[in-house]
Amino acid sequence: AQSVAQPEDQVNVAEGNPLTVKCTYSVSGNPYLFWYVQYPNRGLQFLLKYITGDNLVKGSYGFEAEFNKSQTSFHLKKPSALVSDSALYFCAVSENSGGYQKVTFGTGTKLQVIP
Amino acid sequence: DTEVTQTPKHLVMGMTNKKSLKCEQHMGHRAMYWYKQKAKKPPELMFVYSYEKLSINESVPSRFSPECPNSSLLNLHLHALQPEDSALYLCASSQESRKKNRPYNEQFFGPGTRLTVL
Repeated sequence: AQSVAQPEDQVNVAEGNPLTVKCTYSVSGNPYLFWYVQYPNRGLQFLLKYITGDNLVKGSYGFEAEFNKSQTSFHLKKPSALVSDSALYFCAVSENSGGYQKVTFGTGTKLQVIP
Repeated sequence: DTEVTQTPKHLVMGMTNKKSLKCEQHMGHRAMYWYKQKAKKPPELMFVYSYEKLSINESVPSRFSPECPNSSLLNLHLHALQPEDSALYLCASSQESRKKNRPYNEQFFGPGTRLTVL
């Protein structure tokens, strides 16, 4: 069975400072890993994914994540936080099942960027 | 067209009503999904359609009835709902791609329908 953990319910960071949102995963095989962001009363927006290849993945809005197989982690990072980055962030792991994808989401981390 | 659309944006219904949620995509994706999301919680998978056939039903109560009339359209028919069914209902679609010969699916989400059951 696949699972993903986001150990922090909320992360506070000052504007301009680097931010990290943590994610660890558990799968039986090679993982597919994703980060999504959700603004209030909105759907999920895709940020980035790890499929294979380079461990450092760059995504939308200046975000990046590093796949660490030995630590089973996929932490989301950004060098300089913006107030507009304040939102709910979900890490997700999936196993490919042929014509579709069954995704397991983490519990979410609320990011608060303080002006 | 690179988006998933959902209608209506908001829906208020009584416990005896029958209503439907609609989801549409024109990206040629052959898999479509329904999720339920409660406030400040992760989305929970309800149904998956692959090539217009129901592939996953996550033990969803029968008062929720999905329908996939064609490859672009996904409906969720609602009947005799309970107040605890009030939530954001998200639709998503995906199509298999490959990176370095490893297949994967990336889901694209719609904005959701905010459902309130009175």
